[in-house]
Amino acid sequence: GAVVSQHPSRVICKSGTSVKIECRSLDFQATTMFWYRQFPKQSLMLMATSNEGSKATYEQGVEKDKFLINHASLTLSTLTVTSAHPEDSSFYICSAWTSGGAGETQYFGPGTRLLVL
Amino acid sequence: AQSVTQLDSHVSVSEGTPVLLRCNYSSSYSPSLFWYVQHPNKGLQLLLKYTSAATLVKGINGFEAEFKKSETSFHLTKPSAHMSDAAEYFCVGRTSYGKLTFGQGTILTVHP
Repeated sequence: GAVVSQHPSRVICKSGTSVKIECRSLDFQATTMFWYRQFPKQSLMLMATSNEGSKATYEQGVEKDKFLINHASLTLSTLTVTSAHPEDSSFYICSAWTSGGAGETQYFGPGTRLLVL
Repeated sequence: AQSVTQLDSHVSVSEGTPVLLRCNYSSSYSPSLFWYVQHPNKGLQLLLKYTSAATLVKGINGFEAEFKKSETSFHLTKPSAHMSDAAEYFCVGRTSYGKLTFGQGTILTVHP
């Protein structure tokens, strides 16, 4: 099946620094990618929808200037957490959407665990 | 707007006994519904999806779910639980062009 990778899988950073997370679709092209965050013992919450070559669409309450999303190609989207603070510590998951013979399907990356000290 | 509600935050079963994970949805239109499983430190894996072709949907690893419009439910079942089924399960609705809404999740524990 389709594979989505994320890098890094874990990152620890100091408060005030920026962290970039990459999401790649390895064997298919994804015109749309999604970014989610998952707090401990909670469900996934959609942060933003990223379309290749255009600006991301952010969900209500998500700061676009803090969570910068770039979708420069059909196989890569990046999420940069700028000036990270401890409350940004979370599990960030991307997904890539594709439509094909089996219909529309989203494939999820393994997630990136961010810890801000 | 569409919402998805998982009725149980935790379900505990013995190995070899049936599994039932409950999910209700609310939608003003015919939804697309999914069940995903998340094992610790692993990515979400699609178990099955309903897209109106058939109300009883069979998925991987022996799981299946039945879409019941009259009850607005999409419960996940498996006849016989296996230890490897222990994980967190998410019922998910698709609201629009690829956009998903996740239920709160149900943690399944399987006892020997």
